[in-house]
Amino acid sequence: KQEVTQIPAALSVPEGENLVLNCSFTDSAIYNLQWFRQDPGKGLTSLLLIQSSQREQTSGRLNASLDKSSGRSTLYIAASQPGDSATYLCAVITGTASKLTFGTGTRLQVTL
Amino acid sequence: GAVVSQHPSRVICKSGTSVKIECRSLDFQATTMFWYRQFPKQSLMLMATSNEGSKATYEQGVEKDKFLINHASLTLSTLTVTSAHPEDSSFYICSARDIGWGSPLHFGNGTRLTVT
Repeated sequence: KQEVTQIPAALSVPEGENLVLNCSFTDSAIYNLQWFRQDPGKGLTSLLLIQSSQREQTSGRLNASLDKSSGRSTLYIAASQPGDSATYLCAVITGTASKLTFGTGTRLQVTL
Repeated sequence: GAVVSQHPSRVICKSGTSVKIECRSLDFQATTMFWYRQFPKQSLMLMATSNEGSKATYEQGVEKDKFLINHASLTLSTLTVTSAHPEDSSFYICSARDIGWGSPLHFGNGTRLTVT
C-alpha cells in the first residue's frame, strides 16, 4: 500500500526566503506526482505535475523535483511571499486505476 | 484551463436527511471522477472512483449504501450522503481528469457539510 509523507508538517518563514518542502513515498512504482496548494476551507489548486519519466518541473517561482528510485520529491519555492501561505500537498498515482494518494501536507506561513 | 465546478460549497442539514453534492467538469469530458473526504487538519482520503455509465468503485471502509454516487454523463457526477449523521460532517472534494491518465487531476472547490 502506497504511503506518502511530507516533512515538515508546518513551516514559518519570513518573506523573501527560499524554502524546500519534502515529500516521500514508499512505493516507487508511480505514474506521476503532483503538488497541490490548499487554502483554508478551499479546494485544491494544482501547482506542478511531474511524470515518472521526468526529474523536475518549473512554474514561475516553483520548482519540483522527483527522484523516483529513492521515493522522494521536493518543492522549492523561491523568494517566498505572504500570499504563498497555504497548505501544500503532494500526491502520487500508483497503479492503473489513477488513484491519487495524498501526503499529510505541509502548512506554510510566510510572515512579513 | 480545465475547470471543475462543485456545488454547493457549503451545506448544513439535520441528522437523518440526505444531501446531494454535484461535481461538473466545465470544459472537458471526464469518464472518471474521484470523490475525496477531508477531516480537519488531515489529508484527503479517497472515498470512491466514479465511472461514467457504470457503478462506482468504493474504497475499503466506505459504505456504498450511505454514499451514493451517480455518474450519469461525461460531465457530471453526484455524491449523495444518505441519512446523514453528525459524524458525516466533513469537507468533500471531487476531482476529474482530462483526457489521458497522464494529465493532471483538477479539483472542485469542495463542499463543507455540517450535520446538526
